[in-house]
Amino acid sequence: SAVISQKPSRDICQRGTSLTIQCQVDSQVTMMFWYRQQPGQSLTLIATANQGSEATYESGFVIDKFPISRPNLTFSTLTVSNMSPEDSSIYLCSVELSKGFNYGYTFGSGTRLTVV
Amino acid sequence: LAKTTQPISMDSYEGQEVNITCSHNNIATNDYITWYQQFPSQGPRFIIQGYKTKVTNEVASLFIPADRKSSTLSLPRVSLSDTAVYYCLVGDSFGGGYQKVTFGTGTKLQVIP
Repeated sequence: SAVISQKPSRDICQRGTSLTIQCQVDSQVTMMFWYRQQPGQSLTLIATANQGSEATYESGFVIDKFPISRPNLTFSTLTVSNMSPEDSSIYLCSVELSKGFNYGYTFGSGTRLTVV
Repeated sequence: LAKTTQPISMDSYEGQEVNITCSHNNIATNDYITWYQQFPSQGPRFIIQGYKTKVTNEVASLFIPADRKSSTLSLPRVSLSDTAVYYCLVGDSFGGGYQKVTFGTGTKLQVIP
């Protein structure tokens, strides 16, 4: 199955700054997904990133706040912009579990973000 | 997207079989049912997936009745390391074969020595 490396694993940031989270996959994948998991909560899908096109954002998430890049089939970044303490969460990327297995996904270990 | 409902938490003693039931009354014809496990400070991990009847792998069994409005994840003889949050997901297709998934609240399983 696909293996995801996500960086950084954690960070503490000042409010008003931005943080870019990287997601590297060891195989080529068409779709990459970004999730947010607030403390003690479930996962919420932020956006879907398809290589070569603009990311598709879920309700409540906008590109200006969470710009996403998808330069190739193995890499994506999510930027959390103009951060506030409410952005303190775990951010996870996800891809299909294995090539051709369309209904299961694997996740990175997440980036634990604390905004102070 | 079909909404799922599962118990918020469960406790079990080591060595017991644990059954976690999830209801998904509005499941669509093309939807698969998938269960994930999440340990603290880790991303969710795929456990098992099914469409109907029973599916078994080395980790768990998944029971799905004929009407598919619910499913039950069965973990045989749990150990302390099975303490985690378990998510039941039902998703639909993007149209390109990719399933958009929505995570529910999950069930926090606490295994007791």
